[in-house]
Amino acid sequence: DSGVTQTPKHLITATGQRVTLRCSPRSGDLSVYWYQQSLDQGLQFLIQYYNGEERAKGNILERFSAQQFPDLHSELNLSSLELGDSALYFCASSSSGTGYTGELFFGEGSRLTVL
Amino acid sequence: GENVEQHPSTLSVQEGDSAVIKCTYSDSASNYFPWYKQELGKRPQLIIDIRSNVGEKKDQRIAVTLNKTAKHFSLHITETQPEDSAVYFCAASKSGGSYIPTFGRGTSLIVHP
Repeated sequence: DSGVTQTPKHLITATGQRVTLRCSPRSGDLSVYWYQQSLDQGLQFLIQYYNGEERAKGNILERFSAQQFPDLHSELNLSSLELGDSALYFCASSSSGTGYTGELFFGEGSRLTVL
Repeated sequence: GENVEQHPSTLSVQEGDSAVIKCTYSDSASNYFPWYKQELGKRPQLIIDIRSNVGEKKDQRIAVTLNKTAKHFSLHITETQPEDSAVYFCAASKSGGSYIPTFGRGTSLIVHP
């Protein structure tokens, strides 16, 4: 168990809909990362938050948005869903300050299927 | 930005053989190179990492080598076992600031008993 919690584990929805994926980082971790894993596409970085603020943005579509709340949990919002958005979405967290080693701790992922 | 190429995409070996997965990176400023293992249906987990101030690191049956000049690094697994079957991802990043690891596309390792 990595200590990172993601919900829901599975989600099936229709094109055009909107979904929200939730992530709780490890206790004490301030950084949260979101990655998208599609078939044969590896792990694509979407966005990073640090202590409530957006720190870096990757290949995140304009239809997608995220935020990190004061309690450090994060949500990834996906709207106007398309078939191609079907993927496994991972959240990861990392330690900060003197405890930082570079390791990312991944959650179990949220599998999104768009029909 | 950083670009990480990983080869091969699929690797099939017999139990007991060695397996080697190779990655190249583009940003000479990258100084941290982790390897993650993702078993089927599971989350990626760090198995070994190397920083740019060393050329090789070993942990039991796995080792990683780094050639900074050529900007490539490799994962070596000796005496492979069926439980080594998984997808392996290499990554490269720069420590400090906005640390964002860029991952390779992954190598599916299949170890046949």
